Amino acid sequence: QKEVEQNSGPLSVPEGAIASLNCTYSDRGSQSFFWYRQYSGKSPELIMSIYSNGDKEDGRFTAQLNKASQYVSLLIRDSQPSDSATYLCAVNIPGDYKLSFGAGTTVTVRA
Amino acid sequence: DVKVTQSSRYLVKRTGEKVFLECVQDMDHENMFWYRQDPGLGLRLIYFSYDVKMKEKGDIPEGYSVSREKKERFSLILESASTNQTSMYLCASSFPGQGEETQYFGPGTRLLVL
Repeated sequence: QKEVEQNSGPLSVPEGAIASLNCTYSDRGSQSFFWYRQYSGKSPELIMSIYSNGDKEDGRFTAQLNKASQYVSLLIRDSQPSDSATYLCAVNIPGDYKLSFGAGTTVTVRA
Repeated sequence: DVKVTQSSRYLVKRTGEKVFLECVQDMDHENMFWYRQDPGLGLRLIYFSYDVKMKEKGDIPEGYSVSREKKERFSLILESASTNQTSMYLCASSFPGQGEETQYFGPGTRLLVL
């Protein structure tokens, strides 16, 4: 079982809709969770971090964490063409300095 | 703003050449990482360093070595480049504490080995 799994894409959503991305992780001891956005040919950039159960909102992005169910999700509201990218979920490895990354979900926002 | 820079955006080398990729960060981060990213394989950790002169192997260290002589600089060395090392190489840095594991990435180096 992979440490971090993301729903397979690609995910195509119309402009203005909500894009929903899911991520599950295997280590119950993980405490830190991150969403990165990566445009084609570019490097990952952090868009959200979340550490506590519940929702965290930042502009059009909302991260949701449920440690009991071991999943973290990202909602993109009012999706724009500029949101078209690959989104990587990352989870800390307890007792280590490293992050475990998911394979990514590619989102395409169609006008 | 955290800034992580990499020495080259694009690099073309020949099989058998020794290749140096450099990464510099300006945030006084203890941890630095080297990844490669290939289509369908995601991010794979090559090496990381948690302090000057300290290093640990990641998931795919074969064919690579690293050097960290100064806190801000982490170099990846391909001792004898091979075509299967053609890839996007990403450097990242972070603080060491729990809750501070956010990794900040450099722009990447796209390496082509002919």
